[in-house]
Amino acid sequence: GAGVSQTPSNKVTEKGKYVELRCDPISGHTALYWYRQSLGQGPEFLIYFQGTGAADDSGLPNDRFFAVRPEGSVSTLKIQRTERGDSAVYLCASSLQGASSNTEAFFGQGTRLTVV
Amino acid sequence: AQSVTQLGSHVSVSEGALVLLRCNYSSSVPPYLFWYVQYPNQGLQLLLKYTSAATLVKGINGFEAEFKKSETSFHLTKPSAHMSDAAEYFCAVSPGPLISNFGNEKLTFGTGTRLTIIP
Repeated sequence: GAGVSQTPSNKVTEKGKYVELRCDPISGHTALYWYRQSLGQGPEFLIYFQGTGAADDSGLPNDRFFAVRPEGSVSTLKIQRTERGDSAVYLCASSLQGASSNTEAFFGQGTRLTVV
Repeated sequence: AQSVTQLGSHVSVSEGALVLLRCNYSSSVPPYLFWYVQYPNQGLQLLLKYTSAATLVKGINGFEAEFKKSETSFHLTKPSAHMSDAAEYFCAVSPGPLISNFGNEKLTFGTGTRLTIIP
């Protein structure tokens, strides 16, 4: 596809369940980012991948959150033992990293996660 | 640590009037600064980005922003508002060239300003 694709677009889960959120970046983009946007707030950084490795995971709130990108393309954000406070829109972005700072991060439309 | 403060969670302007959305930043290192727009049911879209090349940055859709180090500000302006400008606008900061290689890593966003255009 032409843009960053996130699936599902909406996810409702029960408290305590495990969820996986998927991000398909723009083809060829080596950098991938996850953000979380709570109601009425700006996006909050979670984790940044450069290729297959997590270059910065300092934004993950606790050990219930984990993300992978095994082949350097698709990424999955995994949340264990979900809590009602995890309810938010989870955003994924990707960018083409190079020698210049004039690159743009392209965002997907997000996955709205609701924990009931 | 870095942060941005967007003054005014809601701004209303008449069609054809000046748009001014305020953003002040805090950063211990020279930063990169961004403005993103979010239309309903769409992803965030980059309006413009300051990378230290020029203090006045021109973006898409007629928007521009000026980096003022002395005021730690990066306000967004547009001379004449259109109905299509109604959206949520986010200011963001990231570590600048002393730390960041590419400028997109670890954006810190403000809480957003919802812009309403009055016909």
